[in-house]
Amino acid sequence: AQTVTQSQPEMSVQEAETVTLSCTYDTSENNYYLFWYKQPPSRQMILVIRQEAYKQQNATENRFSVNFQKAAKSFSLKISDSQLGDTAMYFCAFNWANNLFFGTGTRLTVIP
Amino acid sequence: NAGVTQTPKFQVLKTGQSMTLQCAQDMNHEYMSWYRQDPGMGLRLIHYSVGAGITDQGEVPNGYNVSRSTTEDFPLRLLSAAPSQTSVYFCASSMGQGVAEQFFGPGTRLTVL
Repeated sequence: AQTVTQSQPEMSVQEAETVTLSCTYDTSENNYYLFWYKQPPSRQMILVIRQEAYKQQNATENRFSVNFQKAAKSFSLKISDSQLGDTAMYFCAFNWANNLFFGTGTRLTVIP
Repeated sequence: NAGVTQTPKFQVLKTGQSMTLQCAQDMNHEYMSWYRQDPGMGLRLIHYSVGAGITDQGEVPNGYNVSRSTTEDFPLRLLSAAPSQTSVYFCASSMGQGVAEQFFGPGTRLTVL
């Protein structure tokens, strides 16, 4: 079974600072995909970034980047230059066989 | 493109009532799925479909039925609602293979009294 663990239920960061959200997962598979989704108060699920397990290079999308450690089964999200619009729930997700397995989420608050 | 649409946005049911949550997508995606989101538990997969006429169970399928008669539509049926089914329900679609981004609908908040 695939499991995803997010050990930080809530975090806060000052505007313009950097914050890192943690995620670990457990799987016996070798080829899979990892995602970070953002859920603002509007409830809409928005893809932030994705990582293919076979790629060693960490994915980046503008202010968002990941630190993917396959051997440690760790997939953290770094948000640089935090903005007020980054306030949201963030979910780490593991994709295998077309099914997404989600962590319990981290509520991030950006403080002005 | 409207993307993934869900109706209704909100619904209140009494225990034992039945209803169908509608989901449609206009992106010609083969893969569609239903998730439920409960406080403190993230999203969990209920049912999914890899194409018209093909459905399969996810992590929490009990109490729910699905069918996929067309590529566009993937309704979720509650035959006899229970308070444990109070949740927010999300429909999602993707091109099909694991690498593809899943696009989510806006969700339906369901309360069962």
